[in-house]
Amino acid sequence: DAGITQSPRHKVTETGTPVTLRCHQTENHRYMYWYRQDPGHGLRLIHYSYGVKDTDKGEVSDGYSVSRSKTEDFLLTLESATSSQTSVYFCAISENGRSEQYFGPGTRLTVT
Amino acid sequence: AQSVTQLGSHVSVSEGALVLLRCNYSSSVPPYLFWYVQYPNQGLQLLLKYTTGATLVKGINGFEAEFKKSETSFHLTKPSAHMSDAAEYFCAAYMDSNYQLIWGAGTKLIIKP
Repeated sequence: DAGITQSPRHKVTETGTPVTLRCHQTENHRYMYWYRQDPGHGLRLIHYSYGVKDTDKGEVSDGYSVSRSKTEDFLLTLESATSSQTSVYFCAISENGRSEQYFGPGTRLTVT
Repeated sequence: AQSVTQLGSHVSVSEGALVLLRCNYSSSVPPYLFWYVQYPNQGLQLLLKYTTGATLVKGINGFEAEFKKSETSFHLTKPSAHMSDAAEYFCAAYMDSNYQLIWGAGTKLIIKP
C-alpha cells in the first residue's frame, strides 16, 4: 500500500469554526489531491497540487483552501465550516499528472 | 463535455456468476482508464489500469477489463463472483490533455448467496 495517512480520521465541529485536515505521504509523489465523497455525487475534486507551493482548484473549491509547503504534506482548510461540508474527505497522490492515483483512508467530517 | 458513464448504480449477481460492470467514456482521443474498488468505510483501491498497449488488462482479485476504442468502453469483468467482491466500483479516466481524473458515479456490486 502507498504510504498515505490522513489526520484526523474523524472530526465533529461546529458551524463557523475553521478546520484543517492533513494528508501526509511517504512516496515522494509530485501530485496530491483532495476529494470529497457524498452519496449521489461520487468523488468530486476540491483542490490539487502539482508541486510544493503549486496548487489549483477543482470543481468544488468554494469554501476550501489548501497549502503545500513540503512535498509530503498537503493541508485542506475549511475557512468557516458549514453543514454542507459534512462529508468524507479523501486525499490521493500520483507520481505524475496522468498516472494512477493512490488514496488515503479518508476523514469523516461532521459539521453541526 | 468530457464524461465517464457507469451504467447501473446497483448491479446484483449470484455467487459464482459472471460479473460485468459497464463503463463508457466520451473523449476524442484514447484516454488513460482506471477501475477502482471501495469497500465500506475504506479508501479507494486501484483494481487495474489501461494506458497504452494490450487492450485486455488484468487486475487484482481476478478482475479484468477490455479497452474498446470503437465502442468507447472499458467494461470490468470477473468470471465468477465471490461474496468478498461486494463493494462499490468506480471507473475513471484522464482524457485529452487534462490532468484531472474524470470519475464515474460508481456501481454498487451486490452478491447474492
